[in-house]
Amino acid sequence: AQSVTQLDSHVSVSEGTPVLLRCNYSSSYSPSLFWYVQHPNKGLQLLLKYTSAATLVKGINGFEAEFKKSETSFHLTKPSAHMSDAAEYFCVVSDSSGGGADGLTFGKGTHLIIQP
Amino acid sequence: DGGITQSPKYLFRKEGQNVTLSCEQNLNHDAMYWYRQDPGQGLRLIYYSQIVNDFQKGDIAEGYSVSREKKESFPLTVTSAQKNPTAFYLCASSIDLGSSYNSPLYFGNGTRLTVT
Repeated sequence: AQSVTQLDSHVSVSEGTPVLLRCNYSSSYSPSLFWYVQHPNKGLQLLLKYTSAATLVKGINGFEAEFKKSETSFHLTKPSAHMSDAAEYFCVVSDSSGGGADGLTFGKGTHLIIQP
Repeated sequence: DGGITQSPKYLFRKEGQNVTLSCEQNLNHDAMYWYRQDPGQGLRLIYYSQIVNDFQKGDIAEGYSVSREKKESFPLTVTSAQKNPTAFYLCASSIDLGSSYNSPLYFGNGTRLTVT
């Protein structure tokens, strides 16, 4: 069985300051991990993905995530927040036994608020 | 531009009525999915299809039905048997149902259904 926990339901930062969105996972297999972003009343868009190649993953819009197996974490970071980053962010895990999108587990989301 | 089109954006229905949500993609993807999103709950898989004329139940299929008569189209019917149908519904597609790393999800902009 697999699960994903997003540790903060809401995160508020000032524009220009760093962003940290936390995600812990559990998986019986070597997981694939993803971060998706959702702007209000829109669908989800893939930010970045990880699967065993490199522990530090770079995504779109300046976001990065680091896979730490010992901590079972996959936190999302950005050095400097922009107003356009305000959105809902989802951490997603896929166990390699199934592999397909039918085996994805979504976190409950973190709402990122950017203060001017 | 290729993408996924969901219509309508907003839908209002009376309790006891069936309603059908449209999803069309021109990405030439084999696999399509329906998710339900409730506030603070992440996404939950309703149904998915990996090929025309074939579909599988997801985690919360009760009260829903789908069809896949064409590769491009995957409509979702919310029946009167669905006890709590008010939600945001997202349609997605991927190249195939293989590795979610190599075949990430592409999402439509969703349909917000309100049943009173």
